[in-house]
Amino acid sequence: QVQLLQSGAEVKKPGASVKLSCKESGYSFTSNWMHWVRQAPGQGLEWMGIINPTGDSRKYAGKFEGRVIMTRDTSTKTVYMELSSLSSEDTAVYYCARDNSHLDAAMITYWWFDPWGQGTQVTVSS
Amino acid sequence: SSELTQDPAVSVALGQTVKITCQGDSLRSDYATWYQQKSGQAPVVVMYGKNNRPSGIPGRFSGSSSGNTASLTITGAQAEDEADYYCNSRDSTSNQWVFGGGTKLFVL
Repeated sequence: QVQLLQSGAEVKKPGASVKLSCKESGYSFTSNWMHWVRQAPGQGLEWMGIINPTGDSRKYAGKFEGRVIMTRDTSTKTVYMELSSLSSEDTAVYYCARDNSHLDAAMITYWWFDPWGQGTQVTVSS
Repeated sequence: SSELTQDPAVSVALGQTVKITCQGDSLRSDYATWYQQKSGQAPVVVMYGKNNRPSGIPGRFSGSSSGNTASLTITGAQAEDEADYYCNSRDSTSNQWVFGGGTKLFVL
């Protein structure tokens, strides 16, 4: 069973950058696209972006364009997410989640995120 | 970009049926995926595709869709179903994913 293990909590000052990791463990036939999702305190889930299995294709949410970089090390099955120019509004729990997709009989593709990592708390404070 | 709208909170009496809804233009052409998130935990998928439940998710959870609205129904709600529920879909125009604002379910 695939599990995602994320790096530990981070405390950063405004203007700094943070780089989080997400390591896949367990047996899997193929490597999947990976999402990053964050959740500010008391708020909902916010999709940040996705990276492909080989790490050479990404799509970022418009809100984070220019400030986020997602990378991947296939040899260690680890995905990274770096967020720069941090502000207090970036204080949140950051999750990685594996992408799954299926094309049904009606030729409609549907997606689901599973599993999720345990989350990494990032606190931005002066 | 596409948005998904959910009611902020819904309550249901123990053992009764509750429907949690999600509205958005992307749902006219794509299915919603539903996630359950309990306090302090990572989200867990409870429904995806037309009406697919992952293994381990009780049969009292079901999904449906009509027009621009997707619904998650819990038939015979249990105390352990009290949680936040988020819908999610992909915006085919922008090739980005979006979450609804979440619905807090109270089981009374």
